[in-house]
Amino acid sequence: AQSVTQLDSHVSVSEGTPVLLRCNYSSSYSPSLFWYVQHPNKGLQLLLKYTSAATLVKGINGFEAEFKKSETSFHLTKPSAHMSDAAEYFCVVSERGNSGGSNYKLTFGKGTLLTVNP
Amino acid sequence: DGGITQSPKYLFRKEGQNVTLSCEQNLNHDAMYWYRQDPGQGLRLIYYSQIVNDFQKGDIAEGYSVSREKKESFPLTVTSAQKNPTAFYLCASSMDRANSPLHFGNGTRLTVT
Repeated sequence: AQSVTQLDSHVSVSEGTPVLLRCNYSSSYSPSLFWYVQHPNKGLQLLLKYTSAATLVKGINGFEAEFKKSETSFHLTKPSAHMSDAAEYFCVVSERGNSGGSNYKLTFGKGTLLTVNP
Repeated sequence: DGGITQSPKYLFRKEGQNVTLSCEQNLNHDAMYWYRQDPGQGLRLIYYSQIVNDFQKGDIAEGYSVSREKKESFPLTVTSAQKNPTAFYLCASSMDRANSPLHFGNGTRLTVT
């Protein structure tokens, strides 16, 4: 069974400093991994995805994430935080469901709230 | 522009009433999903549909019902049997492949008093 653990429920940084949002996963097979961002009262927007190609994945708005199989991690980073980055971030793992076919099961982490201080 | 439209954005109902949340997509996606979001709990899957006229229960389907009569539409009914219906509801769609990301609507916030 797959699972996702976002290690911090809340991260606070100052504007211009680096951002690190941590995600660990467990999966029986080779998973696909995603990071999404959610601003208040909005839907989720895809930041980036890993699908077994390059282990360092670049996304939108200067974010990137590195897939480390040995550590079962997929941490999200950004070199310099901007005020507009304040939002909630979700790590998601996707793998084929037990019934096979085209059924893919998505598991969401519980989210990390990023606060950016001026 | 292609996307997913959820309506209404805010919905208020009295306890004991059924209420239907609308979700329409023009992305030509086969798969559609309904999630419930509560503070600190992430997203939990209510129902999903991979094809017209077929849908499957998710992790928390009790007290909810759906239909998929058209590819573009996947309405969710919150029935009076749902014990804690007040929540933020998100609809999503995808190409239903492992590396296909979900595209989300902007959500409906339902308050039941």
